Amino acid sequence: DSGVTQTPKHLITATGQRVTLRCSPRSGDLSVYWYQQSLDQGLQFLIQYYNGEERAKGNILERFSAQQFPDLHSELNLSSLELGDSALYFCASSVGPYSGNTIYFGEGSWLTVV
Amino acid sequence: AQSVTQLGSHVSVSEGALVLLRCNYSSSVPPYLFWYVQYPNQGLQLLLKYTSAATLVKGINGFEAEFKKSETSFHLTKPSAHMSDAAEYFCAVSDRARNYGGSQGNLIFGKGTKLSVKP
Repeated sequence: DSGVTQTPKHLITATGQRVTLRCSPRSGDLSVYWYQQSLDQGLQFLIQYYNGEERAKGNILERFSAQQFPDLHSELNLSSLELGDSALYFCASSVGPYSGNTIYFGEGSWLTVV
Repeated sequence: AQSVTQLGSHVSVSEGALVLLRCNYSSSVPPYLFWYVQYPNQGLQLLLKYTSAATLVKGINGFEAEFKKSETSFHLTKPSAHMSDAAEYFCAVSDRARNYGGSQGNLIFGKGTKLSVKP
């Protein structure tokens, strides 16, 4: 158990809908990351937050947004869903925002868009 | 941009045989390097990481990796495979920024290598 908690574990929704994925980082970790894992794209970095502020942005679509709240939990919002958004979404956390910090991953949220 | 190449999307070994999973990075400045393992229907678990101390890094479950700057490689090895090692393994890099405050912690992952272990 990494200490990173993600909900829900599984989600099935229709095209055009909007979903919210939630993440609680490890106790003491201030940095949160979101990654998408799909068969064709592999593991793609989406976005990083540190202590409530956006730190880095990767291949995140404009239809997707995220935030980190004062209690350090984070949410990833996916809207206008398409079939291609079906993937495993990982949240991860680290104590600081810097390269070299060990990043711990949650077990992921499986999203299926039908 | 930084990239990671993992040679071989599938590797199959016999139980008790040497495991060798290959990883090469593209940066001219040696990055931080990581190996993660993903068991079926689970998240990613850190096996080991290289940050600039010893070039031979020991990790969990008997795995180790050697950083070779001249070859821009960070291959993962285990002397004797066990059935429980069957999983997907990911090599990842994180850039070293010139100044600490400017660095970002996000990882760039390779495509992964699925390891099968035959009895």
